Amino acid sequence: AQKITQTQPGMFVQEKEAVTLDCTYDTSDPSYGLFWYKQPSSGEMIFLIYQGSYDQQNATEGRYSLNFQKARKSANLVISASQLGDSAMYFCAGLGGSYIPTFGRGTSLIVHP
Amino acid sequence: ETGVTQTPRHLVMGMTNKKSLKCEQHLGHNAMYWYKQSAKKPLELMFVYSLEERVENNSVPSRFSPECPNSSHLFLHLHTLQPEDSALYLCASSQDRGATLYEQYFGPGTRLTVT
Repeated sequence: AQKITQTQPGMFVQEKEAVTLDCTYDTSDPSYGLFWYKQPSSGEMIFLIYQGSYDQQNATEGRYSLNFQKARKSANLVISASQLGDSAMYFCAGLGGSYIPTFGRGTSLIVHP
Repeated sequence: ETGVTQTPRHLVMGMTNKKSLKCEQHLGHNAMYWYKQSAKKPLELMFVYSLEERVENNSVPSRFSPECPNSSHLFLHLHTLQPEDSALYLCASSQDRGATLYEQYFGPGTRLTVT
């Protein structure tokens, strides 16, 4: 079984600054993937970035990067140069061998002008 | 239309009503999924269909009844729901059953309120 924990219900950041959204995971699967999604008020889940447990380097996708620390079981999302359009809910998710994903409760990010 | 569409976008129903949620994907995918996102619990997978066959039922109560008549359409039939079933119901599709999570394309969801 997997468990995903997001301890920040809400975060605020100034436009153009960087922000880190926390995610810790707990799993017994030897191989797993960690994902981050953005959910704007319109409802759809937008995939942002993925990190495999065996990947040697931290994943990056444009302004998104994943700070993966295996020993700490953390997979934090870093958004650089925040934009107003980044205001949304952000979800961390994990997927092991069962094909049933586990999602965290999410973090609400508000970007101030 | 492209991608994954869901209708209706909003639904209010009484506990004795019967209603259905519809999902349609225009991506040529073979697997479709229902997820539930409630205020009190994280997003959770409900059902998985692969080539119109149900391959996963994640301990969902029988008052939720899925139907997949073809690979492009997925329904969720609802009857005698409880107020705690109020949630955002998201549909997703992927090329096949073995696709990883980021290969799933999500629809915009149906916001269901049970009164």
